[in-house]
Formats: sequence, structure tokens, C-alpha cells
Amino acid sequence: DVKVTQSSRYLVKRTGEKVFLECVQDMDHENMFWYRQDPGLGLRLIYFSYDVKMKEKGDIPEGYSVSREKKERFSLILESASTNQTSMYLCASGYRLTSYGYTFGSGTRLTVV
Amino acid sequence: GQQVMQIPQYQHVQEGEDFTTYCNSSTTLSNIQWYKQRPGGHPVFLIQLVKSGEVKKQKRLTFQFGEAKKNSSLHITATQTTDVGTYFCAGPEDDSNYQLIWGAGTKLIIKP
Repeated sequence: DVKVTQSSRYLVKRTGEKVFLECVQDMDHENMFWYRQDPGLGLRLIYFSYDVKMKEKGDIPEGYSVSREKKERFSLILESASTNQTSMYLCASGYRLTSYGYTFGSGTRLTVV
Repeated sequence: GQQVMQIPQYQHVQEGEDFTTYCNSSTTLSNIQWYKQRPGGHPVFLIQLVKSGEVKKQKRLTFQFGEAKKNSSLHITATQTTDVGTYFCAGPEDDSNYQLIWGAGTKLIIKP
């Protein structure tokens, strides 16, 4: 069964901390994505990557950075966590950037206090 | 900018009733994708439609893509408790083709 695995299901961090969210996929997909999902705001793209070491900003990149050192791993970094970054973070991977569907991880619910 | 509008936001049905959600794009889509997210879960890809007027079925689920490739619908016949969740549509952003534009989702609620 193909998988996208996110390292943590729940995280609680303090304001100002540097936070790392890890995502690993086993499907050999070139494309990986980080979304955040908030009630009433739907799915919003933070960053995506179409190859190792390549990254592109999505709609809401401010306050975030990403790293893609290996094909299977895509990390989201919150440089200095703030309370408005409390959210559900979803990682996804896809065979193509905008077709054939994405496989999502189970999500990380991050609370910043 | 490009938008994908999805209606209704919520739909309450009795078990056994039918359910339909609609997506409308402001621009022509090269494809449209449908996902289901169970409560507490993550989105799961259901299907992709590509051709004008395309209709696809998965058991009790029927997916349609409009002739102009600007709208789509998902219809569930005789809903069951396992159908509960939020259904999202998504289509490619037209001027970059790098991103999906997502509908806000329709939440299917089964009345007790």
C-alpha cells in the first residue's frame, strides 16, 4: 500500500520555537506539497517541490520554508512559530503537479502556545 | 483570480437519500479531481475527469464533467453512514498549471 508518512500526528510548540514537520513518501513521486487546512478556509498551498532541491512558493509561504534533500522526503520548517500558525498541516505527493491525484499523509495538528 | 466554487457548503440527508455536490470554475479546466475527507482524516483521491461531458461511476457515486469543462458534480445514490465526510473538487490553475485550485468542500451529514 502506497504511503505518505508524516512524522507526528500532534505537536505542541511554544511561540518563537523553530518547528520541523517531516514527510516521507514511498511512491517515487517527483512532486510533493505542503498544505495547511483551517476551518472555513479549505486547503491552502504553502510550498511545493517538483524535484530534489527544487521548491516553489504556494499561496501562503510567509513564515515557512522547506527542504527537499532527497526525493522521498519533504520537510516544512516554521522558522519562528507563532500562534497564527496553529493548524492542520497536510503533506501530499503526486505523479504529476496537477493531474492524476495526490496522496495525502495523515496530517500533523500543530498547536502553538 | 481563478476560482472554483463548490456548493452547498453542508448537506444534511437521511440515510438512504441521495446527495449531490457541485463545482463551478471561472475558467475552463483541463481536468477536475474529487477527494473525500472523513471526519478527523485526510483527503483521499477518488477520481479524475478529463474529457468534456465525461461521466464516471464508482458503485453508488457518479461523477460528471460539464460539456464546457467548467463545472462538475458528484452524486451519491442512497447514502450510507460510510459516506459521511467532506467532498472536495480541485482543478489546475489555468495560467501556471503548477497548482491545484480547491473548492471549499461540501460536508455530508447523515441525520440520526
